[in-house]
Formats: sequence, C-alpha cells, structure tokens
Amino acid sequence: DTEVTQTPKHLVMGMTNKKSLKCEQHMGHRAMYWYKQKAKKPPELMFVYSYEKLSINESVPSRFSPECPNSSLLNLHLHALQPEDSALYLCASSQGQGPSRELFFGEGSRLTVL
Amino acid sequence: GQQLNQSPQSMFIQEGEDVSMNCTSSSIFNTWLWYKQDPGEGPVLLIALYKAGELTSNGRLTAQFGITRKDSFLNISASIPSDVGIYFCAGHPTSGTYKYIFGTGTRLKVLA
Repeated sequence: DTEVTQTPKHLVMGMTNKKSLKCEQHMGHRAMYWYKQKAKKPPELMFVYSYEKLSINESVPSRFSPECPNSSLLNLHLHALQPEDSALYLCASSQGQGPSRELFFGEGSRLTVL
Repeated sequence: GQQLNQSPQSMFIQEGEDVSMNCTSSSIFNTWLWYKQDPGEGPVLLIALYKAGELTSNGRLTAQFGITRKDSFLNISASIPSDVGIYFCAGHPTSGTYKYIFGTGTRLKVLA
C-alpha cells in the first residue's frame, strides 16, 4: 500500500484564521515532507521530519508551523497567512534510512487565502 | 531552490505517437525518479532508477538512468489521451540529503 493521505482536499481561509493541514502514511516510512506547489511549477520543499525530528526547515515563514505527533502523522498549522500563500500543499514520505529513496506524494491540499 | 533542466517544456503529440523527454544536471545523482501529475492532484511516482545505465519499464513507459549519472530519460510509447499531464523528474543527490531536486516539468498534450 503506497498511499499518503491528506486532509482536507480544499481549504479556504481568511488572513486571520488558524487552520491545519493533516497527512498520514502507513508505509512505515520514517521521513515525512511538506512541499508547496504553485501552478505549473515543481514542488518546493518546506520542511522535512526524519524519525519524528525536524530535519530541514527551508527558511519557511513562522506563519507555517509543522508538527509530527508520531511516525505516521504530519501536520501543518497555518496562522495569519497571506494571499500569496495560496497554493497546493503536498505531503510526501520516504523510507528514510535504507536503500529505497522513492518519494511518495499525497493528493495535496488546495489552499486559498482570502 | 536548485532545479534540473527538463526538456521539452511542453509538447503536443498525436495519439499513438511515441514521446521522449529528458532531464539534465550539472551534479551527479544516485537516484532518479519520474512522476506524472494531473491538474489539482499530487505527483504519482511512475519509475525509480538507482544505477547508472539502468533501463526500467512500467507498461508503456521506459526510463533510463544516464551513464554519466547527470541525466535521465523517459519515453512513452503509443501515447493515449490519458497520458496528458505534467511529467516531473527528480534527482536524489549522493550526499544522503533529504533534498530531492525537481525538474521544471514537461507538459504533455495528446491530440486524439
């Protein structure tokens, strides 16, 4: 089962709202990622958690706050976003340590900030 | 961030034609991944390549890991309308980082 599940699929929020994006995988992967994708562009890395610890933060503004409650779950907390933050947010996972470097994406959460 | 050169940027082809696209880099990679992405959806992994010179097929898709480890190729044979979408390559550097490098994408449109 190579599945990464993201909720919600669509989210509309105002600039003063607080919301969260959620991601779950049951492949036993130990690395989980958040990517941001604008239209017609490749995914852009935001955060990586490796073995439930934040491994990479690509200088993302603090209005985005990641959380990894356990090895299967990854959240992205959103607060005081700007309209330019509207994008497709993709969660992904990979094995972490080990020979496989396959990266599996979820279906994405389409975020619109008004 | 760093991106791979992917070409062509877009292409229109007739149904039944074969398609080729490639990615090139100035750095060497130890893994190449190829994805297809439909509008509003997440990228779907098509093929993973791990060794220089490796040739791997997945149905009508065939991908190759370049001998120099700086490029990769994807071929689609006998294209059909559902092949429409954006194809991305991604390279995993040799340093063990979690930072995959993505190509700029090839937008494929198939004319029935």
